Amino acid sequence: SQQGEEDPQALSIQEGENATMNCSYKTSINNLQWYRQNSGRGLVHLILIRSNEREKHSGRLRVTLDTSKKSSSLLITASRAADTASYFCATDEGKAAGNKLTFGGGTRVLVKP
Amino acid sequence: NAGVTQTPKFQVLKTGQSMTLQCAQDMNHEYMSWYRQDPGMGLRLIHYSVGAGITDQGEVPNGYNVSRSTTEDFPLRLLSAAPSQTSVYFCASSSTGGYSNQPQHFGDGTRLSIL
Repeated sequence: SQQGEEDPQALSIQEGENATMNCSYKTSINNLQWYRQNSGRGLVHLILIRSNEREKHSGRLRVTLDTSKKSSSLLITASRAADTASYFCATDEGKAAGNKLTFGGGTRVLVKP
Repeated sequence: NAGVTQTPKFQVLKTGQSMTLQCAQDMNHEYMSWYRQDPGMGLRLIHYSVGAGITDQGEVPNGYNVSRSTTEDFPLRLLSAAPSQTSVYFCASSSTGGYSNQPQHFGDGTRLSIL
């Protein structure tokens, strides 16, 4: 079963615009992670936010976490063509669940030059 | 530093054949895992290991075996391939078994087709 559900499934924007994608999950988590996957490649870790954190920044990335709503968002500012990829959220339910990651279905982002 | 290396990159099998997907990491990570990625399904965990000699089942373990004799290697065995196992397989590793909220490092995947 998928813990994280992402919305939208696909997103098309112009270069320079911001891209926002959301992730909802069902159970309590230890942390939530965002990954990027370029076509034909493996996943690359972008950012990790712990359950006691509400917002985190890394370069042009901003992640928020609302544990009361069981949701997270990833914002990419000033998008570039190189940001074209699929983005996945993954939840870590903690030691009791073996610290396994459960992935959502992903958001496909197309940034048009 | 190679990171996580998966071999082969592509493989075509006939139904009923067996094979082993190789995964090696050079980061001295304790935690390693195997996922499969199907269209529209995201990644699903097959098996994982928190250290040499220790393995456990994930969400979709049926039809697959794993072993962890060394820290570096975590091979995935398909016992009798079925068309439903056509997928892209990813191996990942992280340090300290995930207990310290560490991100996972992924290989580039093995694209497997079962005819």
